[in-house]
Amino acid sequence: AQSVTQLDSHVSVSEGTPVLLRCNYSSSYSPSLFWYVQHPNKGLQLLLKYTSAATLVKGINGFEAEFKKSETSFHLTKPSAHMSDAAEYFCVVSDKVGGTSYGKLTFGQGTILTVHP
Amino acid sequence: KAGVTQTPRYLIKTRGQQVTLSCSPISGHRSVSWYQQTPGQGLQFLFEYFSETQRNKGNFPGRFSGRQFSNSRSEMNVSTLELGDSALYLCASTSGFSPQSSYNEQFFGPGTRLTVL
Repeated sequence: AQSVTQLDSHVSVSEGTPVLLRCNYSSSYSPSLFWYVQHPNKGLQLLLKYTSAATLVKGINGFEAEFKKSETSFHLTKPSAHMSDAAEYFCVVSDKVGGTSYGKLTFGQGTILTVHP
Repeated sequence: KAGVTQTPRYLIKTRGQQVTLSCSPISGHRSVSWYQQTPGQGLQFLFEYFSETQRNKGNFPGRFSGRQFSNSRSEMNVSTLELGDSALYLCASTSGFSPQSSYNEQFFGPGTRLTVL
């Protein structure tokens, strides 16, 4: 069975400082991993995805994540936070095997990012 | 290309009633997944439909059901509503063509906010 643990429920940073949102995953097979962002009263937007190509994945808005199999981690980073980054971020895993994985994304509990001026 | 649309955006119902939510996927997408988002349980997978067939189902009671039409539009129905069904219901679409459809990121709609009184 697949699962995701986001290690921080809230992260607070100052504008212009680095962002680190931590995620550990568990999967029986080689997984696909995603980071989604949700702004208040909005749907989910894909930031980036890992599907076994490069281990360092670049996404939109300056975000990137590194897949570390030995640590079963997929942490999200950004060098410099912007006020518009304030939102809730979800680390997501999907097994690459059909059957019970069809259409199913497993979400972490979310990390709320607050950015202070 | 138009995104995923969901109707209605907001619903208020009373306990015991039933409700039907609608989702129109991105043009050309044949897979539609449904998720429930609550503050306590987070985002949970309900079910997935592909070419009018349910391929996968999450751990929800039988009161939650869905269907998909030949144009890939999908509906989900909740019967005998309970207070705990109050949630944001999100649908997502993907092409679904590959057997390993988890490679394809899911595109989410804005959601339907259901309040049960």
